[in-house]
Amino acid sequence: KAGVTQTPRYLIKTRGQQVTLSCSPISGHRSVSWYQQTPGQGLQFLFEYFSETQRNKGNFPGRFSGRQFSNSRSEMNVSTLELGDSALYLCASSPGQDYGYTFGSGTRLTVV
Amino acid sequence: GIQVEQSPPDLILQEGANSTLRCNFSDSVNNLQWFHQNPWGQLINLFYIPSGTKQNGRLSATTVATERYSLLYISSSQTTDSGVYFCAVKGYSSASKIIFGSGTRLSIRP
Repeated sequence: KAGVTQTPRYLIKTRGQQVTLSCSPISGHRSVSWYQQTPGQGLQFLFEYFSETQRNKGNFPGRFSGRQFSNSRSEMNVSTLELGDSALYLCASSPGQDYGYTFGSGTRLTVV
Repeated sequence: GIQVEQSPPDLILQEGANSTLRCNFSDSVNNLQWFHQNPWGQLINLFYIPSGTKQNGRLSATTVATERYSLLYISSSQTTDSGVYFCAVKGYSSASKIIFGSGTRLSIRP
């Protein structure tokens, strides 16, 4: 069974640009959630999608957005990148509310 | 929201030693997991354990939901056990978010 796949693995962008990250969940998993990890703030929840609907959202500015497609794949977009957006972005999938989450390998974003 | 505290923040042990990592949470949870983050950043799922006790090889975990804490035990530590261990919880509400603790950094010396 394939795991959670995140692409790309590494990304370098310039301030002011926008970026789109992709996450393909484990087959059959309908919940996809996104996290940002930085040395100073630790692991912070961005948002969670279930069956194409955003179920929860963390405390991030509107520059951070996401969506989920009918095949459960998810994308997150960050517009007008800032240096502070440099981080490891992790995606996790789950069959549903009462199950554990499986994480992908992450996308390491560097903003210069 | 739910607060999650992990202790100790850092732990340095010799290979072969045993260790206990603790996770305290401030409210009732219906989802609790332990993860090991490897040097490349990937979070490896160790246990899904909202209550009770589980064992997997040298690792075991216990969650006492009524007292709002969970323990991760590592026996006969190996250098490959080094890394950061996270506890993550989620409350009962469907609007509840997954909250991670700040982690325990474990270093196993050969």
